[in-house]
Amino acid sequence: GAVVSQHPSRVICKSGTSVKIECRSLDFQATTMFWYRQFPKKSLMLMATSNEGSKATYEQGVEKDKFLINHASLTLSTLTVTSAHPEDSSFYICSADGTPLQETQYFGPGTRLLVL
Amino acid sequence: RKEVEQDPGPFNVPEGATVAFNCTYSNSASQSFFWYRQDCRKEPKLLMSVYSSGNEDGRFTAQLNRASQYISLLIRDSKLSDSATYLCVVKRNTGGFKTIFGAGTRLFVKA
Repeated sequence: GAVVSQHPSRVICKSGTSVKIECRSLDFQATTMFWYRQFPKKSLMLMATSNEGSKATYEQGVEKDKFLINHASLTLSTLTVTSAHPEDSSFYICSADGTPLQETQYFGPGTRLLVL
Repeated sequence: RKEVEQDPGPFNVPEGATVAFNCTYSNSASQSFFWYRQDCRKEPKLLMSVYSSGNEDGRFTAQLNRASQYISLLIRDSKLSDSATYLCVVKRNTGGFKTIFGAGTRLFVKA
């Protein structure tokens, strides 16, 4: 079946540095990818919708200059957390839809970010 | 009020018990409905889609009531391995395609 990968699976960085997370669809083309953030014992919260070849759509309250999203190809979207701070520490998960309202939304394994 | 609301949990049940989860959604434009399972520190995984006609997969039965905007999941003969967080998920196409997750209900099945 379809698989979505994320890299890295976990990262520890110093406050003020930038971290890039990659999300790849491995055996299908994803015109749309989604980035979520999940804090401990909380629900997944959609951060932004990444559209291939166009600008990402950010959810209310998500700073687009802090969370840079690039969807340069049909199989790769990247999320860069710029100038990370400890409050950015979270579980970041991407997902991909091959077509809108596709029955199954494929999730990557997630990236655990810890900012010291 | 959240767009997708679930039982807060946690549910603590013995092995073999039957447990039911409820979920309500507020946006009548919602089009697709799912139950996902999320294990601790892992990504969500699709458990089953939910249809008005109801659907069953082994010990799991899901039901959708569009008129009441209500979704349910029934787990029969609970196993220890069923312990996880169950997420009610709704998809809609209003102002762009969106997937809305409920906060999840934690289930603990004990021996």
